Amino acid sequence: AQSVTQPDIHITVSEGASLELRCNYSYGATPYLFWYVQSPGQGLQLLLKYFSGDTLVQGIKGFEAEFKRSQSSFNLRKPSVHWSDAAEYFCAVGAPWGYQKVTFGTGTKLQVIP
Amino acid sequence: SAVISQKPSRDICQRGTSLTIQCQVDSQVTMMFWYRQQPGQSLTLIATANQGSEATYESGFVIDKFPISRPNLTFSTLTVSNMSPEDSSIYLCSAEGGREETQYFGPGTRLLVL
Repeated sequence: AQSVTQPDIHITVSEGASLELRCNYSYGATPYLFWYVQSPGQGLQLLLKYFSGDTLVQGIKGFEAEFKRSQSSFNLRKPSVHWSDAAEYFCAVGAPWGYQKVTFGTGTKLQVIP
Repeated sequence: SAVISQKPSRDICQRGTSLTIQCQVDSQVTMMFWYRQQPGQSLTLIATANQGSEATYESGFVIDKFPISRPNLTFSTLTVSNMSPEDSSIYLCSAEGGREETQYFGPGTRLLVL
């Protein structure tokens, strides 16, 4: 069965600093991988996704993520964080066949300080 | 991408009553999904709703408690029946359609059961 681990429950960064959120997955082959963001009181917004091809994926809002098969990781990065990035971030894994039964990680809550 | 709306956005209900949540997609989609997000937790899939067939429920969720309808390719409802305070959660609808193989989410329904 597929699973996702987000080891950091809560992260605090200064505005303008770089950010990396960790995500490790468990799956027998190359999965579909996603990052979603949930702002307070909102639903989930897709930041980016990886299906195949280039392992460095660009998303919206200046985010990128890199798929590393050898480490079973799909970490999310941003070079310079803005106060509006404060939110909860969810990594998710899906099977690349049939319908998308997606498994979500437990989330990382990002706090941005001035 | 798909744009998804949900009604109601929030509600406060009495124990023992039922609430029906509506989910509308702006385009025809194959698969729709219902998730529950309990306070401070990640997303848990309740069921998958395919148009023209019975919903498929995940372990721990049953049709009597969470009946789902999917009358057409753009609409679904989830009913939370005989509610108890433990049902207080955010209920999220998502949809996957076309060739994107990506789930897009509605804004969620915030339910408080007293």
